[in-house]
Amino acid sequence: GQNIDQPTEMTATEGAIVQINCTYQTSGFNGLFWYQQHAGEAPTFLSYNVLDGLEEKGRFSSFLSRSKGYSYLLLKELQMKDSASYLCACMDSNYQLIWGAGTKLIIKP
Amino acid sequence: ETGVTQTPRHLVMGMTNKKSLKCEQHLGHNAMYWYKQSAKKPLELMFVYSLEERVENNSVPSRFSPECPNSSHLFLHLHTLQPEDSALYLCASSQLLGDTGELFFGEGSRLTVL
Repeated sequence: GQNIDQPTEMTATEGAIVQINCTYQTSGFNGLFWYQQHAGEAPTFLSYNVLDGLEEKGRFSSFLSRSKGYSYLLLKELQMKDSASYLCACMDSNYQLIWGAGTKLIIKP
Repeated sequence: ETGVTQTPRHLVMGMTNKKSLKCEQHLGHNAMYWYKQSAKKPLELMFVYSLEERVENNSVPSRFSPECPNSSHLFLHLHTLQPEDSALYLCASSQLLGDTGELFFGEGSRLTVL
């Protein structure tokens, strides 16, 4: 079956760095997405990776290893506003999105 | 205007009620989606419309009935719901169905079934 695994919850300190991991098993692969969802708000797109490697976008970076079925989202210089849930999703061979349950990130002062 | 707008934001209904959720997108997208989001569970895709035609119905109970009158509007009609249907219902749109473009989500309708 198809499956996405990511930690349920993580805690980090303001100003620090945190890495949120995501492992996947899908039928085919057409890319991996990260979305951010603040409590009570819409999920918003953060990144899309389809090739191996690291893609940097400001304080956020996303990494993909297709051979390992693994991705991570790296958040640097954490701010209180980064407290949110982070959703990992893979697109399978039918261009269907398979979602993880999300990682709730708690930032402490 | 925000890209994808959902109303109502909150809804409480009894099991015998009939209500509808509304979604409107102002992005000129051709694909629209209904998702169910329950606590600590992955997003569940319920329905997909492409160019106003339903292309996906993921074994959703018939008490949920979608309607897409045009490419900008999507409805989810609810009747005879069960308490386990309480969840956040998210609408989303994308430029095309089956491409790798991002989804644009509405803020959701929080449904509580008593």
